[in-house]
Amino acid sequence: EVQLVESGGGLVQPGGSLRLSCTASGLTFSSNWINWVRQAPGKGPEWVAAMGPDEIEKGYVDSVRGRFTISRDNAKNSLYLQMDSLRADDTGIYYCARDRGYFTLDHWGQGTLVTVSP
Amino acid sequence: QSALTQPPSASGSPGQSVTISCTGTSSDIGGSEYVSWYQQHPGKAPKLIIFEVNKRPSGVPDRFSGSKSGNTASLTVSGLQAEDEADYYCSSRGGNVFGTGTKVTVL
Repeated sequence: EVQLVESGGGLVQPGGSLRLSCTASGLTFSSNWINWVRQAPGKGPEWVAAMGPDEIEKGYVDSVRGRFTISRDNAKNSLYLQMDSLRADDTGIYYCARDRGYFTLDHWGQGTLVTVSP
Repeated sequence: QSALTQPPSASGSPGQSVTISCTGTSSDIGGSEYVSWYQQHPGKAPKLIIFEVNKRPSGVPDRFSGSKSGNTASLTVSGLQAEDEADYYCSSRGGNVFGTGTKVTVL
């Protein structure tokens, strides 16, 4: 059974930083693109970032580029999201999700809540 | 990339069918065979129910079906059941974009 488990969320002040982690099991982590998707309260999902299996290919939504950094450690079956210069509109639940190909996200974690507030 | 457009709400009685539309552009839905649909119950993560326009992952009932015409994709839920009450989101390759979401109510 594929499992993705996020951690690292919490309450942070505007301008602060957080590092999210996503640990995977039940799949060949090193062969998969993994995404970060967030969902603001009462809103739909928004793709945030993704990283390819080679630990090199990556992409970001425009609103986080330059502030967030995605990385992974295939030896630890883990994906990370370093979030700097956080803003109130970064608040939401952050999910990691496996991409089976062509932006088809077939396995999701339970999410971790990030709240950016004074 | 702008979100794909969905109606905010849809409803039907048990046993009836409901169809949800998802409208994009030629840069996403119109130019892609990679349209997906997700179901989300309150407090839960989204769940993939349709991929590549009309394919169902293992375990998803055949009451769920998808189609596409031009820049608009559609999800049909036939034989509505109480557990189908949820939020539904479309997505498309081409900008990695999701829809605005449709809340389906089973009357």
